[in-house]
Amino acid sequence: EAQVTQNPRYLITVTGKKLTVTCSQNMNHEYMSWYRQDPGLGLRQIYYSMNVEVTDKGDVPEGYKVSRKEKRNFPLILESPSPNQTSLYFCASSLSRTDYYEQYFGPGTRLTVT
Amino acid sequence: GQQVMQIPQYQHVQEGEDFTTYCNSSTTLSNIQWYKQRPGGHPVFLIQLVKSGEVKKQKRLTFQFGEAKKNSSLHITATQTTDVGTYFCAGRKGSQGNLIFGKGTKLSVKP
Repeated sequence: EAQVTQNPRYLITVTGKKLTVTCSQNMNHEYMSWYRQDPGLGLRQIYYSMNVEVTDKGDVPEGYKVSRKEKRNFPLILESPSPNQTSLYFCASSLSRTDYYEQYFGPGTRLTVT
Repeated sequence: GQQVMQIPQYQHVQEGEDFTTYCNSSTTLSNIQWYKQRPGGHPVFLIQLVKSGEVKKQKRLTFQFGEAKKNSSLHITATQTTDVGTYFCAGRKGSQGNLIFGKGTKLSVKP
């Protein structure tokens, strides 16, 4: 089944404790992206990757890191989480950023930083 | 930066009533996509519009792309409780640009 998976689905952590949210897709998609969703703010892009070893900042990259060492995986790293990073995070992938391809979203990771 | 404005933010309707959400951009878009997010779920692609003035239908859903390619709408006829969720539009400026999402319209349907 074609899908985007994320782990963990739920995470409660404390300020400053490094964490990684994994994202994996099995559709051989070139383009992958991370979004955060907050009430009243919609979906805001954090980082994206057009292909292996190619990443770039989205609209709200501060406090986050990403890597794309393999085509299927695009982990989101929070080196020193803070309470303002409490949010619902979605990973998404599409065949390519160019042209007009739909994005497939993962199930989401609900992160709480205390 | 480029923004895609979506209104209304919330809409409460009685089952059987119609519903419309609007999406507006200050700049011309190369395409617009619509997504639906059920409560507790993730956004799921509904449709894409590319051509000026394009209209597409999916059963009770009608999607339109404006002549100037700066606005779009999603209209649901005779809403059902299964239509509950948040509807997002997402536009792209140029074929190389990232998708910019609107803030979404949250639809609730009273049986």
